[in-house]
Amino acid sequence: NAGVTQTPKFQVLKTGQSMTLQCAQDMNHEYMSWYRQDPGMGLRLIHYSVGAGITDQGEVPNGYNVSRSTTEDFPLRLLSAAPSQTSVYFCASALFGNQPQHFGDGTRLSIL
Amino acid sequence: AQSVTQPDIHITVSEGASLELRCNYSYGATPYLFWYVQSPGQGLQLLLKYFSGDTLVQGIKGFEAEFKRSQSSFNLRKPSVHWSDAAEYFCAVGAVESQGAQKLVFGQGTRLTINP
Repeated sequence: NAGVTQTPKFQVLKTGQSMTLQCAQDMNHEYMSWYRQDPGMGLRLIHYSVGAGITDQGEVPNGYNVSRSTTEDFPLRLLSAAPSQTSVYFCASALFGNQPQHFGDGTRLSIL
Repeated sequence: AQSVTQPDIHITVSEGASLELRCNYSYGATPYLFWYVQSPGQGLQLLLKYFSGDTLVQGIKGFEAEFKRSQSSFNLRKPSVHWSDAAEYFCAVGAVESQGAQKLVFGQGTRLTINP
């Protein structure tokens, strides 16, 4: 049972490049979310999904897109990377509304 | 909207000593409260959760937390720390919104260092 799997673990991009951070879970969880973690700021919610075909914005959505075509996958897309998006990104999933979220190991992203 | 404050950015304790990490929250209704731990280079692992009922909750690794509504607090405690407890600890408050969306708001984190 893999839980929440994020790929890649590390990535370096140049300003203006695009990329997709992958997230997959094998627990049949309906709820999935993306967070970014920056020093001294805890984790902040970027986007979330309550099921396939349904997504919504979190606290810091600008510069990021998401889609949810299957229950298992929830990719995060950076359309035009900016240095301010240098961060550690975490994907999480939960069975439903108030259940604890399970986190992946994170993707460390640097934008030069 | 909910918010969480962890007043202590960094705490150092000796191995075997007791530990208390503070967490204060702001939320209009009964909150869902969580404590997570993060080891370096790892994701977050759930230590314990409070949804309702008994205000003293037990978690993994010997941790417990007490929900105090009057003080809007959810402090994490451990009677005797081990060197392996060195990590960063995050308190979070959750609210379930429309369509079952769980909005988690995290505190800034408390980094715990253990002296041998």
